[in-house]
Amino acid sequence: AQKITQTQPGMFVQEKEAVTLDCTYDTSDQSYGLFWYKQPSSGEMIFLIYQGSYDEQNATEGRYSLNFQKARKSANLVISASQLGDSAMYFCAMREGKAAGNKLTFGGGTRVLVKP
Amino acid sequence: NAGVTQTPKFRVLKTGQSMTLLCAQDMNHEYMYWYRQDPGMGLRLIHYSVGEGTTAKGEVPDGYNVSRLKKQNFLLGLESAAPSQTSVYFCASRGGGGTEAFFGQGTRLTVV
Repeated sequence: AQKITQTQPGMFVQEKEAVTLDCTYDTSDQSYGLFWYKQPSSGEMIFLIYQGSYDEQNATEGRYSLNFQKARKSANLVISASQLGDSAMYFCAMREGKAAGNKLTFGGGTRVLVKP
Repeated sequence: NAGVTQTPKFRVLKTGQSMTLLCAQDMNHEYMYWYRQDPGMGLRLIHYSVGEGTTAKGEVPDGYNVSRLKKQNFLLGLESAAPSQTSVYFCASRGGGGTEAFFGQGTRLTVV
């Protein structure tokens, strides 16, 4: 079974608008963390934001915020005021705890294209 | 500051040849991971390590072996390369808790 599911293969967003990228996860571990990474066409992996399973507040980093709904097992990324440079692949990832082997697994990604 | 360094960056192999990919990190991280990324797809976990001398299988371990004899190095081996192993390989490392994973620049491997 998929541990991390990103249901949107691709999205268009207008420059300066906000966009929400969906991510759902599956784990029986109590201690885990969720990450979002950006991969531009150049190929490098760029860390965006992190949310721990025990964090009560939603994480924010500049224009990025993570909408964490623990009961629904979702960790959606919100990018506000989209810029042309936001065009890239975006990956959701989950770090599981010791009980689940400390794995770090990724979803299939969402390709975002920002239109001027 | 080097971070995570992968060697080589590019390689072309013939079917049946063997090779080793090297991942080196200078951040004293406990956890290291090897992934493969096929065109237009996500990263799939091949093998990982939670500390020096340990290794574990990920989602797609068949055809690969790994070793972590030193904390800073994580080696990925292909004993008998197959065209299905043509991919971009990424190595990552991270410290404990909620720390982010740092990635190498990737190795583009083509098996002909």
